[in-house]
Amino acid sequence: AQSVTQPDIHITVSEGASLELRCNYSYGATPYLFWYVQSPGQGLQLLLKYFSGDTLVQGIKGFEAEFKRSQSSFNLRKPSVHWSDAAEYFCAVGSNTDKLIFGTGTRLQVFP
Amino acid sequence: GAVVSQHPSWVICKSGTSVKIECRSLDFQATTMFWYRQFPKQSLMLMATSNEGSKATYEQGVEKDKFLINHASLTLSTLTVTSAHPEDSSFYICSARSLGQGGSYEQYFGPGTRLTVT
Repeated sequence: AQSVTQPDIHITVSEGASLELRCNYSYGATPYLFWYVQSPGQGLQLLLKYFSGDTLVQGIKGFEAEFKRSQSSFNLRKPSVHWSDAAEYFCAVGSNTDKLIFGTGTRLQVFP
Repeated sequence: GAVVSQHPSWVICKSGTSVKIECRSLDFQATTMFWYRQFPKQSLMLMATSNEGSKATYEQGVEKDKFLINHASLTLSTLTVTSAHPEDSSFYICSARSLGQGGSYEQYFGPGTRLTVT
């Protein structure tokens, strides 16, 4: 079955600390992987995506993610979190002909 | 970057009435658009996939007669909630798929529409 698991429902970090949000997927074909961020009452903004090539991808706002095929993971990282990063983060998997499958999301809270 | 707009951003309607939500890709053509529903503090639930010029494909459990989707052009898709009831109150988000180089693609999301049925 195709699925995306984000094991952490809620994460709290201090401003300036490093961040890693976990994402594991189950997908039958070669996956296209995405991370989106959603602020309250807003739509989703694409942070980064992986289709092929270099397994470490850089995104906007200083985020990066690493695709590890052996672990079926696509974890999102940021070396130093800013208060404005507080939001909901969604990992998603799909293909060029299929719909996106979203994880349940991780809510990030940042303390000053 | 690619921009997707939704209108209205929020709407309040009475039970039994119908509401139309528009989704537009402003600077690109989208052969495929998607409609999602999101409950508070939950993930996005795909309702239907809309292809320009053809009937929408609905996900299991979504009533096609209640949620009418029209994708008349490459830049516009509409979702009409017919005979709305309070349980239809939700946050509705559309997205449009853009094909990139080498067969890659990404979905661009609209800002969402908050529907409240009283």
